[in-house]
Amino acid sequence: DTGVSQDPRHKITKRGQNVTFRCDPISEHNRLYWYRQTLGQGPEFLTYFQNEAQLEKSRLLSDRFSAERPKGSFSTLEIQRTEQGDSAMYLCASSLGTGQGWEKLFFGSGTQLSVL
Amino acid sequence: SQKIEQNSEALNIQEGKTATLTCNYTNYSPAYLQWYRQDPGRGPVFLLLIRENEKEKRKERLKVTFDTTLKQSLFHITASQPADSATYLCALDNIGSARQLTFGSGTQLTVLP
Repeated sequence: DTGVSQDPRHKITKRGQNVTFRCDPISEHNRLYWYRQTLGQGPEFLTYFQNEAQLEKSRLLSDRFSAERPKGSFSTLEIQRTEQGDSAMYLCASSLGTGQGWEKLFFGSGTQLSVL
Repeated sequence: SQKIEQNSEALNIQEGKTATLTCNYTNYSPAYLQWYRQDPGRGPVFLLLIRENEKEKRKERLKVTFDTTLKQSLFHITASQPADSATYLCALDNIGSARQLTFGSGTQLTVLP
């Protein structure tokens, strides 16, 4: 168990560019989440996968954001036409869960995005 | 919409004392409430989960209470140590959603030696 891995750790981009982040969850975990966190705030939910199916997306999520989890393993989060307001820490989390109850989430160290 | 409030100010305590952090919520009755610890530049780390039918839960020096009448959770760290210095986040399951957690903005705790 190597934990949740995210790549890259830091990304600096210019406004208008596209960026893609990768998350490798704990191998046996079926649930995967993306959150976004800005300084002084708690993580904000973006989207959720159960295996390869994207089952929930935040209503606040711009259509410039897209996420995939092919084959229910790693996941990617893409932001198109980045804006300065997209600057944040993007966190991935995974968990092993069944049913409707909650279990603990394992977070990665995040990707810090800076849009210039 | 639901709202979570944690201690608005950073909390400084002396080593060896008990730290008590507060999480208040409104407009919702969560079935689950979780506490996480976050260090600078790192992702949150899970500490404790408590269900609505549980009043209290303990793990080593940590204790969480969940008062559904007051709509409040208290998080206690006994015999605090400088290594406990971090930001502590409470999170609860989200109204109208199966898999969203809503996080508070956190309380920054500093334990002074």
